[in-house]
Amino acid sequence: SQQGEEDPQALSIQEGENATMNCSYKTSINNLQWYRQNSGRGLVHLILIRSNEREKHSGRLRVTLDTSKKSSSLLITASRAADTASYFCATVPRAGNMLTFGGGTRLMVKP
Amino acid sequence: DGGITQSPKYLFRKEGQNVTLSCEQNLNHDAMYWYRQDPGQGLRLIYYSQIVNDFQKGDIAEGYSVSREKKESFPLTVTSAQKNPTAFYLCASSSLRQGLIRNEQFFGPGTRLTVL
Repeated sequence: SQQGEEDPQALSIQEGENATMNCSYKTSINNLQWYRQNSGRGLVHLILIRSNEREKHSGRLRVTLDTSKKSSSLLITASRAADTASYFCATVPRAGNMLTFGGGTRLMVKP
Repeated sequence: DGGITQSPKYLFRKEGQNVTLSCEQNLNHDAMYWYRQDPGQGLRLIYYSQIVNDFQKGDIAEGYSVSREKKESFPLTVTSAQKNPTAFYLCASSSLRQGLIRNEQFFGPGTRLTVL
């Protein structure tokens, strides 16, 4: 079963705009992770945020976590055409041991 | 170069044949995983292993088998019992934290399997 669900499923923006993707999950978590996948490639880890953290930054990426709403968001600022990819959230449950992936958001950044 | 490799990149199989997908890592990670990805979908866990000579079923293990004879290697066999094997297969590895699989995972480039 998929714990995290991303919204929107697809997003198309112009280069230079910001892109926001959301992830909702159902059970209490130990941590939440965001991954990126270029078409036909493996996934690349972007950020891990723990349940006691509310916000993390990495370059142009900003991740927030609201455990009361069981949701997270990934913000990519000043997007570039090279950011075109699918973005997945994945959760590790508090009482569990395994990473569970959502269905992903397909981001297209038009030059 | 540290990393995780998969081979082959593309694989074609006739119905009724078993095929084996290779996965190797030199990251010294204890845990390794196999995922299946269907078009436009997320990843589903097939099998995982936290230690040599031990592995556990994931959500969709039926029709698949694995072995973990070496820390660096975790091959996946897609058997003829898998009814719909055409998919993109991803291997990953991670270190353990306090003996648990909670860290970020490192992925290989994937193998695209097509049944003819």
